[in-house]
Amino acid sequence: RKEVEQDPGPFNVPEGATVAFNCTYSNSASQSFFWYRQDCRKEPKLLMSVYSSGNEDGRFTAQLNRASQYISLLIRDSKLSDSATYLCVVKTSTGNQFYFGTGTSLTVIP
Amino acid sequence: GAVVSQHPSRVICKSGTSVKIECRSLDFQATTMFWYRQFPKQSLMLMATSNEGSKATYEQGVEKDKFLINHASLTLSTLTVTSAHPEDSSFYICSARLQTDEQFFGPGTRLTVL
Repeated sequence: RKEVEQDPGPFNVPEGATVAFNCTYSNSASQSFFWYRQDCRKEPKLLMSVYSSGNEDGRFTAQLNRASQYISLLIRDSKLSDSATYLCVVKTSTGNQFYFGTGTSLTVIP
Repeated sequence: GAVVSQHPSRVICKSGTSVKIECRSLDFQATTMFWYRQFPKQSLMLMATSNEGSKATYEQGVEKDKFLINHASLTLSTLTVTSAHPEDSSFYICSARLQTDEQFFGPGTRLTVL
């Protein structure tokens, strides 16, 4: 079983739609969680860290469900510029082991 | 967020030559940097973890004698692809880790080996 699993999509949504991605992780001892976005042929950029209590940044909301071992990313009022691949990243509680999901592709359509 | 630079951004070389890629954290010190490789339409693949002042830790299947990593200071890690071959052509990305576990990525180096 993979350490981190994501639905690769693609998700094609109209502008203004709300879209949600989930990412499941297998190690219950995981401690740190992140969402990154990666544009085509560019490096990943940190979108937001995911905190236990959930956190929101503008149109983006991230949540952590430890019981079911998944993190989610909700994007409200989608913009064309949100089109990208969204990567979830999970880190175990010790050491330098970071696990990347394969990414979920989002295309926002005019 | 923190800034990580990478140089060169693009390199084309002949088969058999060596290529050195630099990764610098510009506004913070990074005790840990990571090197990744990404082939077209595939996910990031971790190659190695670079720790300042010690030997890098390589992922399974990555040849340490082919991909030489040096992390001589808290702001600089280098990856040297030795005796490059066409199959080494890829997008190489470094990242630097903060104490908060956030990683900030360099802009990547696109390597083409002819």
